Amino acid sequence: EAGVAQSPRYKIIEKRQSVAFWCNPISGHATLYWYQQILGQGPKLLIQFQNNGVVDDSQLPKDRFSAERLKGVDSTLKIQPAKLEDSAVYLCASSLDTLAETQYFGPGTRLLVL
Amino acid sequence: AQKITQTQPGMFVQEKEAVTLDCTYDTSDQSYGLFWYKQPSSGEMIFLIYQGSYDEQNATEGRYSLNFQKARKSANLVISASQLGDSAMYFCAMREGPGNNRLAFGKGNQVVVIP
Repeated sequence: EAGVAQSPRYKIIEKRQSVAFWCNPISGHATLYWYQQILGQGPKLLIQFQNNGVVDDSQLPKDRFSAERLKGVDSTLKIQPAKLEDSAVYLCASSLDTLAETQYFGPGTRLLVL
Repeated sequence: AQKITQTQPGMFVQEKEAVTLDCTYDTSDQSYGLFWYKQPSSGEMIFLIYQGSYDEQNATEGRYSLNFQKARKSANLVISASQLGDSAMYFCAMREGPGNNRLAFGKGNQVVVIP
């Protein structure tokens, strides 16, 4: 069974530029999560989708971050414009549904904002 | 307020020995779940083990076991017979309440296994 796929693996941009990350969850997983992991910390949930609907985006900085999962499968997370403090690893995870116990993570995208 | 606390400094452990990673949590919910994930240098978070708050027995998965002490609000991970591939960051996480799948992570424990 293929795992969660993410691209790109690495991205370097200058502040005020835009960037987008892509995630393809495990086949059949209805729930998709985006996490931000700043160096030295544990991941923090940014947004959670159930199929193509948002379940929880309470910790998403909506002035600059946006995410969509239009067809209920893959998802895109965008930052526009980026700030220095957005430098982090962005992890995508998926689970069978919102009640499933285990979330499975992708390899992450490492973003460096200069 | 921090919900998951992992305060141990980086740890060195001899190959084939056991290591215990501490995790304490804070919640007022009766129903919650506790998880341990491993994050090697490649960056991927790998699920290791899960303990539900109503589970009466400590969870075990191969070389991983969870020492769950509900009254003390601790969920320590024990890795037996350490292997070189166990070198990684280990994160404790908690899911609060039924129907809520948000995970709150601790800051992690660094483990280095030495031959």
